[in-house]
Amino acid sequence: QVQLVQSGAEVKKPGASVKVSCKASGYTFSTYEINWVRQATGQGLEWMGWMKANSGKTGYAQKFQGRVTMTRDISISTAYMELSSLRSEDTAVYYCARASNHARDYWGQGTLVTVSS
Amino acid sequence: QSVLTQPPSVSAAPGQKVTISCSGSSSNIGNGNNYVSWYQQLPGTAPKLLIYENNKRPSGIPDRFSGSKSGTSATLGITGLQTGDEADYYCGTWDSSLRAVVFGGGTKLTVL
Repeated sequence: QVQLVQSGAEVKKPGASVKVSCKASGYTFSTYEINWVRQATGQGLEWMGWMKANSGKTGYAQKFQGRVTMTRDISISTAYMELSSLRSEDTAVYYCARASNHARDYWGQGTLVTVSS
Repeated sequence: QSVLTQPPSVSAAPGQKVTISCSGSSSNIGNGNNYVSWYQQLPGTAPKLLIYENNKRPSGIPDRFSGSKSGTSATLGITGLQTGDEADYYCGTWDSSLRAVVFGGGTKLTVL
């Protein structure tokens, strides 16, 4: 069965960077796109960008341009999302999701990133 | 402020039917090349895909859930409401002008 398993919670200071991992299993990693979506406490879903797992080609939401980097390691079926210059407003649960049929069909369990001094 | 507009909350009694609207524009829902999807998020869990490509259900999603799209709006319908359906529901689609996936602000469903 398809599974996306994310790395554990992180606590970071303002100005630091965080890198979240997303390990895929149950399907051929390179044949799908991975999206990243975040959700602040009590708020809605916010899309951050996409990455084609085969080529590594990426596309980022304008809000995150220059601060986010999405990469992957095909050999271990793992996608990464790194967000830099963290501020308190970046405190949220970050999800990876597989993209298929114009939707996000499988989601990771989420990774809580807390930005606090 | 979300690009797609959903009602903040809806409610209905067990066994009844409810609809959740999702309003957009010509650059997202109204573009024939863009498809609407719907997600259910139970408290403390990750979103789960309910509907893709406007009206298709993934394997394992009961036919109590349905989706439709007309013009610049989309609708999620849920029949035979159960207490286990209490959750937040989100619509999403591609926005051709923003070149981004956009979501609605979410609708909290209460089954009274």
